[in-house]
Amino acid sequence: QSALTQPASVSGSPGQSITISCTGTSGDVGSYNLVSWYQHHPGKAPKFMIYDVTKRPPGVSDRFSGSKSGNTASLTISGLQGEDEADYYCCSYADSSPYVFGGGTKLTVL
Amino acid sequence: QVQLQESGPGLVKPSETLSLTCTVSGVSISRSYYWSWIRQPPGKGLEWIGYVFYSGSTKYNPSLQSRVSISVDTSKSQFSLNLSSVTAADTAIYFCARGGSAWYSDSWGQGTLVTVSS
Repeated sequence: QSALTQPASVSGSPGQSITISCTGTSGDVGSYNLVSWYQHHPGKAPKFMIYDVTKRPPGVSDRFSGSKSGNTASLTISGLQGEDEADYYCCSYADSSPYVFGGGTKLTVL
Repeated sequence: QVQLQESGPGLVKPSETLSLTCTVSGVSISRSYYWSWIRQPPGKGLEWIGYVFYSGSTKYNPSLQSRVSISVDTSKSQFSLNLSSVTAADTAIYFCARGGSAWYSDSWGQGTLVTVSS
């Protein structure tokens, strides 16, 4: 199965909002409301941020929100902070596999 | 609070079998969770390898299915990965993770780097 498509990088200034897109197909993102997002600071354990498109696990800041339209899911981070600088990965359930990851997006806080 | 810790050789020769173990603490491995292996090749994104359900049933990434085996040892609170016939393309950081459902992982280990080289 092909990886989901994410922009390689995004950037924003502290306090701003940014959105990371995650584009799949009708065989994954488009058919299932089973998209999750992970934050990864290299060298550390990835952190679970969003599941089932819009749900936040306990302890995750409400500055992080998820959405979906058609074959594209999105992660929005509002009130950007320096600690948000990390790699972000989307993941979707798919016809062929329970996990199909995106290629990852590097977020830079300017 | 659940903790996961990967362990195993950091260097494996080409054509041999890569074997890793994940030790789980803070929660019973016998509860109804999905225990996954996920990897990240250098400079690349994440790739799901497969999972074992607490009951022992498994599901694998179709692209790796012919070479992968994942098992659980409830007596040791561990689950393991075997990946056979490795090549340099299998060089990666290998993460173990717990999933509350079959399509996401809510807790991850820090990962262990495995290099395939002679």
